[in-house]
Parts: sequence; C-alpha cells; structure tokens
Amino acid sequence: NAGVTQTPKFQVLKTGQSMTLQCAQDMNHNSMYWYRQDPGMGLRLIYYSASEGTTDKGEVPNGYNVSRLNKREFSLRLESAAPSQTSVYFCASSTGGGNGELFFGEGSRLTVL
Amino acid sequence: QKEVEQDPGPLSVPEGAIVSLNCTYSNSAFQYFMWYRQYSRKGPELLMYTYSSGNKEDGRFTAQVDKSSKYISLFIRDSQPSDSATYLCAMTTSTTDSWGKLQFGAGTQVVVTP
Repeated sequence: NAGVTQTPKFQVLKTGQSMTLQCAQDMNHNSMYWYRQDPGMGLRLIYYSASEGTTDKGEVPNGYNVSRLNKREFSLRLESAAPSQTSVYFCASSTGGGNGELFFGEGSRLTVL
Repeated sequence: QKEVEQDPGPLSVPEGAIVSLNCTYSNSAFQYFMWYRQYSRKGPELLMYTYSSGNKEDGRFTAQVDKSSKYISLFIRDSQPSDSATYLCAMTTSTTDSWGKLQFGAGTQVVVTP
C-alpha cells in the first residue's frame, strides 16, 4: 500500500528556474495539502484542496501555484525559484472529516542556489 | 510571535525513563490537538489526537490538554531507543473547512539512549 507518493525526492535548482512537485495518493481521500518544513519553523501550510476541483491558499502561498489534477493527484509549482524556497516539501492527504489524521508523504528536498 | 511554541530540544533520556514534551499556544479557538512523530528523513505520522480538554492514553503514550492554560503535553512511559524521533504538536479549530489546516509547533527532537 503506497499511501502518499511524492516525486522527486531531491532537486537542486538555480534561482529563477521553475519546477513542479508531484503528489499522488491511493487512499481515495478527498482533501490534499502541501506543507513546507524549515528548521525552527515547523510545518507551514502552502496550499490545500478540500475536494477535487477546489484549491485554497494556506499560510505561505506566495511564489507557489497548485493544481488538483484529479482526486488522486495534487501538484505544486514553483514558477521562479528563490533561495528562500529552499525547504523540505511534504504532501499530505486526509478524508476531510474531523478524525485527526493527515497522511504524509516522505518529502521532497529542494535546494535553490 | 508564533501561534504554537515548542522547545526544539534535543531532549536526551536513558532507556526506560519518562519523556515529557509540551507545547503552548495563543489561539483560544483551537479545539483539536494532535501529536505527530517524525523519524529522520520521513514524513510525520499521527501518534495521538485529543478533542478539547482532558487526558487520553494509548499504551505507553499519554496526551494531556489544558485549555485554560493553553498548554498541551505528551508523556512517553518506559521509553525505548525506537522512540528516538522528532515529536511535533499540532492543532486546529473546530470548523469543518479548517480540518487539515494545522498549526504545527517546531518539533522537539528526542533521543533515547540504551
């Protein structure tokens, strides 16, 4: 059972380059999320999709765009990468109900030079 | 000031000791409180979930919420080397569309030495 799968696991970019992080879940969950994790800051929500066809901004959306391609897939795009976007990115999914659990992928480690 | 404060540690304890972790928060609207465990280079996984105030026990783990003090705790009894990980507190409000929009603490690194 794969759960939440993120690609790529590692990426190095130069300032100004663009890239897309891919996320897919096989648990038939309605809601999907993108978080970033930085030392001393904890996890911060970038964007989320409460259900297929909807997306909303989280706490730190600037510099990012998202696409909910279908119920399984939720991608995060950096149009013009900046060094401040160096981070570990986590995709997560949930049923959307109040049961307390987000299921996280293993993370994508991005370095912007 | 962050909404959720958590001491980053590291917290080093000998095997068999009790591990005590805590978070403070400022938003009185938080109703759901969670503890996630994160092993090195892995994603977080839910450990405990508590609604509103009170205690919850699950095996060696006990979660406590004191809403009057805006303070939550996690205790790990009879700690094992396999408990070595980063523990993240998280919380959210009660509205349906807030679910999954969690506010996380920075995480406390715990090291249990044999």
